[in-house]
Amino acid sequence: GESVGLHLPTLSVQEGDNSIINCAYSNSASDYFIWYKQESGKGPQFIIDIRSNMDKRQGQRVTVLLNKTVKHLSLQIAATQPGDSAVYFCAEISTGTSYGKLTFGQGTILTVHP
Amino acid sequence: GAVVSQHPSRVICKSGTSVKIECRSLDFQATTMFWYRQFPKQSLMLMATSNEGSKATYEQGVEKDKFLINHASLTLSTLTVTSAHPEDSSFYICSARDYRGDTQYFGPGTRLTVL
Repeated sequence: GESVGLHLPTLSVQEGDNSIINCAYSNSASDYFIWYKQESGKGPQFIIDIRSNMDKRQGQRVTVLLNKTVKHLSLQIAATQPGDSAVYFCAEISTGTSYGKLTFGQGTILTVHP
Repeated sequence: GAVVSQHPSRVICKSGTSVKIECRSLDFQATTMFWYRQFPKQSLMLMATSNEGSKATYEQGVEKDKFLINHASLTLSTLTVTSAHPEDSSFYICSARDYRGDTQYFGPGTRLTVL
């Protein structure tokens, strides 16, 4: 089901460091996962996705790792920049469900200090 | 590519009035669009799933008569908040699913404030 939290986890890093944001999911039937970035007052922005037949996928400065055994997803951001400061959400879909409804994690606030 | 727009971006209305929010997929066709609501510092809460040419599917606890959804074409869905009250004040976000895949692309959101 959905995770809704009043107090989002936070992660503070220095500019240039690598960031790792974690997400646990509960539905073992989920087979498609997406990371979104949401800046204040804006809609979520697609970052990277991964399907359940993969363990790792890389993009530009970002890597997503999927561990299906423990139902864990992580987003790694290399050489974090101040512009990366935002709330990051993982989302899961069981593509067999009707219309591909997304289930969102609670989100993590990333703050990058210059 | 994969741009979703919302209009208006911000709206202030009086209690008791109705407000319509539009969601458009600009460069792709979306057989399915989703409407979310988000409170400050919280995750997105799915309100309803909108399919072109059919009735929307509402999540549990969401009043379908209060939040009217119309998906008249493959690129446009509208959400109408009827008889708005201050507790309806929130950030409303739509997403559109490209008919060719599973990825959802989000609009920029609409900030609704009901006085």
